[in-house]
Amino acid sequence: AQKVTQAQTEISVVEKEDVTLDCVYETRDTTYYLFWYKQPPSGELVFLIRRNSFDEQNEISGRYSWNFQKSTSSFNFTITASQVVDSAVYFCALITDYGQNFVFGPGTRLSVLP
Amino acid sequence: DAGVTQSPTHLIKTRGQQVTLRCSPKSGHDTVSWYQQALGQGPQFIFQYYEEEERQRGNFPDRFSGHQFPNYSSELNVNALLLGDSALYLCASRQPGLGNTQYFGPGTRLTVL
Repeated sequence: AQKVTQAQTEISVVEKEDVTLDCVYETRDTTYYLFWYKQPPSGELVFLIRRNSFDEQNEISGRYSWNFQKSTSSFNFTITASQVVDSAVYFCALITDYGQNFVFGPGTRLSVLP
Repeated sequence: DAGVTQSPTHLIKTRGQQVTLRCSPKSGHDTVSWYQQALGQGPQFIFQYYEEEERQRGNFPDRFSGHQFPNYSSELNVNALLLGDSALYLCASRQPGLGNTQYFGPGTRLTVL
């Protein structure tokens, strides 16, 4: 079975602090894709990044960076110099050859205080 | 380039009623999936449509049904509404292919009284 765990339910930081959101996944498939989505108060899920299981290269996009480690089944997301606009719920998601459907984690609510 | 659109934005129904939610996919996308997101939880997969057929289904009862039209738009129908059906219903579209990114619409907030 596929499963995504986001152990941090809520995180609160002060603006300009760095923050890391953890994601741990479970799957027996060798081919899978991992995603991060942001859900602001408006409710719409905004796509942030996609990684496939054969590409462990870390990625940086502006203030965002992602660390993918197959050895620990983790796909962590770091926001550098956080801003108030980063406040949202962040979801990690997994899709596999077997499952064929997105499995979402429970989400982490990030609050960035001014 | 229009993104995924959903209607209505909000809906209030009473127990036992039926509801229809609508979704138009992003341009160039032909695969549509529906998700239910209860308050404080992650989205749960309901089903996926491709070529006007239901291709995958999550752990939801038959009260939840859908349809996809030739223009790739989709409907989600829920019969005999229960209080527990109150949630945000999200539609997502993508191009065919397992790893292709799903893009989500703004959702329909359903409240069952």
